[in-house]
Amino acid sequence: SQTIHQWPATLVQPVGSPLSLECTVEGTSNPNLYWYRQAAGRGLQLLFYSVGIGQISSEVPQNLSASRPQDRQFILSSKKLLLSDSGFYLCAWTPGGPNNEQFFGPGTRLTVL
Amino acid sequence: DQQVKQNSPSLSVQEGRISILNCDYTNSMFDYFLWYKKYPAEGPTFLISISSIKDKNEDGRFTVFLNKSAKHLSLHIVPSQPGDSAVYFCAARKSGTYKYIFGTGTRLKVLA
Repeated sequence: SQTIHQWPATLVQPVGSPLSLECTVEGTSNPNLYWYRQAAGRGLQLLFYSVGIGQISSEVPQNLSASRPQDRQFILSSKKLLLSDSGFYLCAWTPGGPNNEQFFGPGTRLTVL
Repeated sequence: DQQVKQNSPSLSVQEGRISILNCDYTNSMFDYFLWYKKYPAEGPTFLISISSIKDKNEDGRFTVFLNKSAKHLSLHIVPSQPGDSAVYFCAARKSGTYKYIFGTGTRLKVLA
């Protein structure tokens, strides 16, 4: 069976510090991978998605970047965090092909102080 | 531009009754729709989906209805249980893309 991992579960960082959140998927190959953010009281905002190694599509111009160094690894990064980067970050995956459900990881709660 | 809208931020229902959660969308290019349930500090859990070629899909207590002409879908939960209390998100995928657009969520509270 497939599983998706995210770490860390919670993170408190000062403004201006760097960020690296990691997501890995097990039990599948060539998944489509996604990063979302849920701000307090808001919906899920799509940040990045990737259909293959090294292929990143950015949805929202912002202070964040994403990379996919391996097939089942997706990393969300920032060089300098802003207060507005606080939120709940979710990684998700879908199998390749049409009409597929999207499965989510447990999420990372990021607080920027 | 919110392409997927959940206009009711919250809903309260008595245990055993039907819960109806609504979702509207604006883009006629959406061809696949999904509903998720989310507890605080956890990732969303997939509930049920429907393709645009269908108008109904049922799975146990959960039924999703799609009205393409009205660009509207709804999730029915019958009977509602206290454990169903959570935030429910609808999502839509644009045809030919890998992007999923989520609504802002509806908080369901099932009263015992």
